[in-house]
Formats: sequence, C-alpha cells, structure tokens
Amino acid sequence: GENVEQHPSTLSVQEGDSAVIKCTYSDSASNYFPWYKQELGKGPQLIIDIRSNVGEKKDQRIAVTLNKTAKHFSLHITETQPEDSAVYFCAASGPSGAGSYQLTFGKGTKLSVIP
Amino acid sequence: DGGITQSPKYLFRKEGQNVTLSCEQNLNHDAMYWYRQDPGQGLRLIYYSQIVNDFQKGDIAEGYSVSREKKESFPLTVTSAQKNPTAFYLCASSMLPVRPGDEQFFGPGTRLTVL
Repeated sequence: GENVEQHPSTLSVQEGDSAVIKCTYSDSASNYFPWYKQELGKGPQLIIDIRSNVGEKKDQRIAVTLNKTAKHFSLHITETQPEDSAVYFCAASGPSGAGSYQLTFGKGTKLSVIP
Repeated sequence: DGGITQSPKYLFRKEGQNVTLSCEQNLNHDAMYWYRQDPGQGLRLIYYSQIVNDFQKGDIAEGYSVSREKKESFPLTVTSAQKNPTAFYLCASSMLPVRPGDEQFFGPGTRLTVL
C-alpha cells in the first residue's frame, strides 16, 4: 500500500517568513495530493490540492509543488501570519483493492508562527 | 447550512463497554469514512462506505464496527475488543465515484477517552 512520509514534524517561523513542508510517497500510481490544515480540537480542512498532471499550483500565499519522478510534493506558505499556526497534513490518493481511491496521510507538521 | 456533524464532542467510556459515535452529513455525499487520530500521528482509516448498506474495512478495522442504513448517517461502534480506544475520531464524506480529486470533507471530531 501507499506510504507517505512528512517532514518536519514541527516547524517554527517568524511572522512574515516562509514555511516549507515536504512529503514523499511510495506508490507511483498515486495521482492526487491534497493538503489539510487542522486547528486545535477541529477536523482537518482542505487548503490546496494538486493532481499528477500539474507541477505547481498557487492560491494566494499558499503553493504546492509536485515532482512525480522523485515522488515528492511540498507545501509553501509565504508571508506567514499567526493564524497560519496549526497542524498541516499531506496526503496521497491511490487506488485501493476495492476499486476506489483512498487517502493515505502523513503524520503531520505542527507549524508555529511567532509574532 | 450544509456540513458534517459528529456527536458527542467528548465521550467517556468505562473499560469493557461498547460505545457508538454518531456521524451525519447533509451534503448528499455517497461516500463516508471513519478515521482515527492519535497524538503525533496522521489519520488512519478505520472503515469506509461508498453506498448505503455497503462498507469496507480500512487499515485498522479490528475492534470497530459500522453500519450504513441511510445515506446521511454512518455510525461507528467502538467495541470492547478494541484494546486502545482512547483517540480522536474523525468522520468524513465525499462525492461518488470515489476517485482522485474528490475532496473529503471532515466533521469536527469526537474525542473518546476510556476511563
């Protein structure tokens, strides 16, 4: 099955600096890569996603890059703000034995933005 | 106001008791999922269901059971056979067919503590 590794597990940045979180995946059949943000005591929310036919996608201060050859993808947050502080999860979607697609999640990165 | 609701938010159980966690969605989604989240861990799939009256085991189904009698509801029962049930449980849903790019929407979660 799919295995997703996420680094770093914790990340502290000064407000206004950039933050980068990296993930690798093992299954070359995976072709959808979402990123979720989870605030304390809440469920994860999708913030950006990328599909295998695209190398980069941006949405305001957030961008994701994908390198299918190397099987890794990254989340970039620019001009960080205190409200960006949360746990971020990457995931990869690949075919499961039941003919559907399942998300496999990384272990998460706790991002702290220091004012 | 569309979304996924989970109840209760906090749940306490004595060792040896079964307990049922509720998950309801009014998004008209066909697929529903249950994940377990432990501190410092990613989300691990317990069970998922693509249509009414059908469900499949995820990666950590042992000690859990589910039912899908209605499209809107996907309750999870944590049985006494689950050796380490204390965790944060997340329910999610998505449109069908389940394929890459179908965003999973998460509920707010239920924190289960075994006393």
